[in-house]
Amino acid sequence: DVKVTQSSRYLVKRTGEKVFLECVQDMDHENMFWYRQDPGLGLRLIYFSYDVKMKEKGDIPEGYSVSREKKERFSLILESASTNQTSMYLCASKGQHAVSEQYFGPGTRLTVT
Amino acid sequence: QKEVEQDPGPLSVPEGAIVSLNCTYSNSAFQYFMWYRQYSRKGPELLMYTYSSGNKEDGRFTAQVDKSSKYISLFIRDSQPSDSATYLCAMNGGNTGKLIFGQGTTLQVKP
Repeated sequence: DVKVTQSSRYLVKRTGEKVFLECVQDMDHENMFWYRQDPGLGLRLIYFSYDVKMKEKGDIPEGYSVSREKKERFSLILESASTNQTSMYLCASKGQHAVSEQYFGPGTRLTVT
Repeated sequence: QKEVEQDPGPLSVPEGAIVSLNCTYSNSAFQYFMWYRQYSRKGPELLMYTYSSGNKEDGRFTAQVDKSSKYISLFIRDSQPSDSATYLCAMNGGNTGKLIFGQGTTLQVKP
């Protein structure tokens, strides 16, 4: 059974803290993605990576950075968390072929107070 | 203008109704069209995909693509309470791993 796992389901952090969200996939996928999902705004792409150590900005990269040191792991970093980063964060992975399925993790509900 | 537009709803129907969910898009380069279903507090899961224009049927679900109108639809026949979820359309142009998602439509099927 294919799996994308995320390090936490719920996380509460204070403004200004550095936050790490971890994502691991076991499907040997080249592509990995970080999205945030907010009511009324849908899924918005923050960053994606198409290979180890490679990354590209998505639609809303400001305030975020990413790291991909190993193929199976893609980390999202909030350098200095702010209240407007309170959201549901979803990680996904996908094979190389355009039509291959994008598999999502269960999501991390992050609250910044 | 967003590349993909989807009415967020919510849409509420009685059990057994036929449901029609729709997305419009602006990029004529899109070739692959997908529907994802997301239950509450879960990540989205792929429901169906189609390539280019035409229909695809899978049980009670039918996906339809009209490239000339830049319009895609998902029909659910004999809807069940277990179909209550958010449905997201997604598409890409084939040369990249990136998918462009619609906002998602929240569907509630009442017993």
